[in-house]
Amino acid sequence: GAVVSQHPSRVICKSGTSVKIECRSLDFQATTMFWYRQFPKQSLMLMATSNEGSKATYEQGVEKDKFLINHASLTLSTLTVTSAHPEDSSFYICSAMAGGPQPQHFGDGTRLSIL
Amino acid sequence: DQQVKQNSPSLSVQEGRISILNCDYTNSMFDYFLWYKKYPAEGPTFLISISSIKDKNEDGRFTVFLNKSAKHLSLHIVPSQPGDSAVYFCAAYTGNQFYFGTGTSLTVIP
Repeated sequence: GAVVSQHPSRVICKSGTSVKIECRSLDFQATTMFWYRQFPKQSLMLMATSNEGSKATYEQGVEKDKFLINHASLTLSTLTVTSAHPEDSSFYICSAMAGGPQPQHFGDGTRLSIL
Repeated sequence: DQQVKQNSPSLSVQEGRISILNCDYTNSMFDYFLWYKKYPAEGPTFLISISSIKDKNEDGRFTVFLNKSAKHLSLHIVPSQPGDSAVYFCAAYTGNQFYFGTGTSLTVIP
């Protein structure tokens, strides 16, 4: 099946650090990539949708200056959490889709812990 | 506003029996529905999907049923196996966006 690689799988860093998470579709061209955040015992919360070559569309309440998304190619999207603080600690998951409506394929997520 | 709801947070089933996971939605514009399976500390894995023009789709032990009039979706797993123990999310799609339920944790007892 389709493979989406997300890296790193775990990050622990100090408050104020910026953290970059990469999401790559390994065997298909992803016209659309999604970034989600999951809190314990809660559903996946969509943060933003990005289409290759254009600016990401952020969900209400998600600070675009805090969560910078770049989708520069059909196989790579990055999420940068700028000046991270403890409340940004969470499980971040990306997904990629070749074209809708089709299943989106998920990365294995990144556990971000800000001290 | 939660447009996709999974009202049962957990379900326990004996190995070999049928597992039925349910999902309700409110938006009649949804045109594609999916089920994902998720293990702890991993991303969700796609299981099975169904278009809104169908009412049933089957893939091996997994069958998804769609009742559009009731805005209800269900996933049947038969026979259930211990390896099926995981959290199952239903999702609905419209307008290049997916909406997820809160998940049902399935435990299959050997």
